[in-house]
Amino acid sequence: DGGITQSPKYLFRKEGQNVTLSCEQNLNHDAMYWYRQDPGQGLRLIYYSQIVNDFQKGDIAEGYSVSREKKESFPLTVTSAQKNPTAFYLCASRGNRDRLNYGYTFGSGTRLTVV
Amino acid sequence: GQNIDQPTEMTATEGAIVQINCTYQTSGFNGLFWYQQHAGEAPTFLSYNVLDGLEEKGRFSSFLSRSKGYSYLLLKELQMKDSASYLCALRGTNAGKSTFGDGTTLTVKP
Repeated sequence: DGGITQSPKYLFRKEGQNVTLSCEQNLNHDAMYWYRQDPGQGLRLIYYSQIVNDFQKGDIAEGYSVSREKKESFPLTVTSAQKNPTAFYLCASRGNRDRLNYGYTFGSGTRLTVV
Repeated sequence: GQNIDQPTEMTATEGAIVQINCTYQTSGFNGLFWYQQHAGEAPTFLSYNVLDGLEEKGRFSSFLSRSKGYSYLLLKELQMKDSASYLCALRGTNAGKSTFGDGTTLTVKP
């Protein structure tokens, strides 16, 4: 079955440490997105990529970095510059020209906690 | 920018009908999504409205009025499993990016 796989499901980060969240999709989607969700809030866009080797900052990109070396993969690094990284991180991809499925397909999420 | 407003919480009874409203201010958008999100899980796609009017899909229907900056999600024959957060989101005109509201947490009671 096609889908998006995020790993790990839970991640603990120490102060001053960089961590990388994995996101892999086998849907052949060009566009991929990273969102952050805080308790009781909606999703806020961190970074997005429309094509391999290209990505753009979203609304809250400070303290994060991404790469898009392969179509299937869009990893997110949470750097030590991100002062409040504890949140639920969601990776999503979007189909190209399918009217019936213009919505995102989401991964199951990574819950990051600073310890 | 875009601003999206939804009620924070709603409660309804099993078997009943509930309407979740979403109002927005935006300079332009391609369409409006509704997603369902159960606690601790990822959102799942429910509906997408591009044109004004009602789109029906089983027990769920979604309505859009562009002139009024208003949408609603209608859930019929409520079931306990419908207890979840419902997110309204605007699909922007650039790169398919979506802006999400904070969501409405629906609690269905017996």
